Amino acid sequence: DVKVTQSSRYLVKRTGEKVFLECVQDMDHENMFWYRQDPGLGLRLIYFSYDVKMKEKGDIPEGYSVSREKKERFSLILESASTNQTSMYLCASSPRGNQPQHFGDGTRLSIL
Amino acid sequence: GQQLNQSPQSMFIQEGEDVSMNCTSSSIFNTWLWYKQEPGEGPVLLIALYKAGELTSNGRLTAQFGITRKDSFLNISASIPSDVGIYFCAGRSYPGAGSYQLTFGKGTKLSVIP
Repeated sequence: DVKVTQSSRYLVKRTGEKVFLECVQDMDHENMFWYRQDPGLGLRLIYFSYDVKMKEKGDIPEGYSVSREKKERFSLILESASTNQTSMYLCASSPRGNQPQHFGDGTRLSIL
Repeated sequence: GQQLNQSPQSMFIQEGEDVSMNCTSSSIFNTWLWYKQEPGEGPVLLIALYKAGELTSNGRLTAQFGITRKDSFLNISASIPSDVGIYFCAGRSYPGAGSYQLTFGKGTKLSVIP
C-alpha cells in the first residue's frame, strides 16, 4: 500500500513565524503535491514537484515555497505565516504517467 | 482553467438506500478519479477510470466514465453508516499541458441516517 506521511496532524503557530510542513512517501513516486483545503473552496493546488529539486507553481503559490531535496520528501514552507493561511494542508504523491494521486492524512494548521 | 461541477453538494439518505452523484466538466478529461474523505482524514482513492464508457466497481461502489469524456458518475448501493463522508471527483487531461495536475470537484457530503 502507498504510504504518504505528514509530520503533524495538528499545528498551531503565530503570525509572522516561518512554518515548515513535511511530507514523506515510501513508494518511490516521482510526483508530489501540496494542496490546501478550505470549506466551500475544495482542494486547491499550492505547488507540485515532478522530480528532485524541481518545483512548479500551482493555483495559489503566493505566501508559500517548497523544497524537494530528496525524492521521498516534499516540504511546504510558509515564509511568514498569516491568519489567512489557517487551513487543512494535504500532501499527495503519484508515480510518473497517468496514475492516481495518493494523499496523506493532512495537517490542520492554525495561525494565531 | 478547467472547472468541475459536482452535484449534489450534500445528501441525507436512509440506511439501505442507493446513492448517485456526478461530476461534469467544461472540457474533456482522459482520466476520472473518485475519492472519499472521512472527517479528520485525507482523501482515499476509491475508483480510477481511464477509458470513455468504462464502468468499474469496487464493492458496493460503481463509477462510470461518461461517453462524452466530460462527465462521470458514482453510485453507492445499499448505503451503510460507514459510507458517511465527502466524496470527491477529480479529472485529468493526460497527456497535455499540466498533465500532472488534477482538477477536483468541490465534493458531495453524504450523511446516512440509521
